[in-house]
Amino acid sequence: AQSVTQPDIHITVSEGASLELRCNYSYGATPYLFWYVQSPGQGLQLLLKYFSGDTLVQGIKGFEAEFKRSQSSFNLRKPSVHWSDAAEYFCAVGEDDYKLSFGAGTTVTVRA
Amino acid sequence: EPEVTQTPSHQVTQMGQEVILRCVPISNHLYFYWYRQILGQKVEFLVSFYNNEISEKSEIFDDQFSVERPDGSNFTLKIRSTKLEDSAMYFCASSELGNTIYFGEGSWLTVV
Repeated sequence: AQSVTQPDIHITVSEGASLELRCNYSYGATPYLFWYVQSPGQGLQLLLKYFSGDTLVQGIKGFEAEFKRSQSSFNLRKPSVHWSDAAEYFCAVGEDDYKLSFGAGTTVTVRA
Repeated sequence: EPEVTQTPSHQVTQMGQEVILRCVPISNHLYFYWYRQILGQKVEFLVSFYNNEISEKSEIFDDQFSVERPDGSNFTLKIRSTKLEDSAMYFCASSELGNTIYFGEGSWLTVV
């Protein structure tokens, strides 16, 4: 069975600084990998996804993520965060039928 | 952009009562899902639905839960006799065959 680990429960970053959120997965086959964002009181919005091909994927809102098979990682990055990026971020891995297993999430706080 | 819509956004119900959560998936999608997120916990898979039948369900999805696609557009989750521990945000989601899962904004269920 697949599993996802997000080692950082909470990250605080200054506005304009770079952000990196870690995600490690455990899955036997080639994984389908996703990052979702959840703003307070809102649903889950897809930021980006990796199915195959280029291991550096671009998403919405200036986010990107890099798939590293050797490290079983799919870390999310943004070069310069905005106050509106304060939210909870979930990494997820999908099975063939796209049932998703989610990580516990990382809460991002942005300070002025 | 097409989206998954859910109603109600928030429902308070008494323990033991039946609850129906409604969802309108994206119109050309073939797979439908329910997930839930208990406050402070991971988003968890409940059930997937394809071709008018359940394709997979989790241990959480016991006999108290059922899903139905009563017409060509709606997808419902019924909880027959709610328990306190059913209090959670319930997310409906849908996907095309072989593609990304899109989530609705969630229905927050409070059982008192």
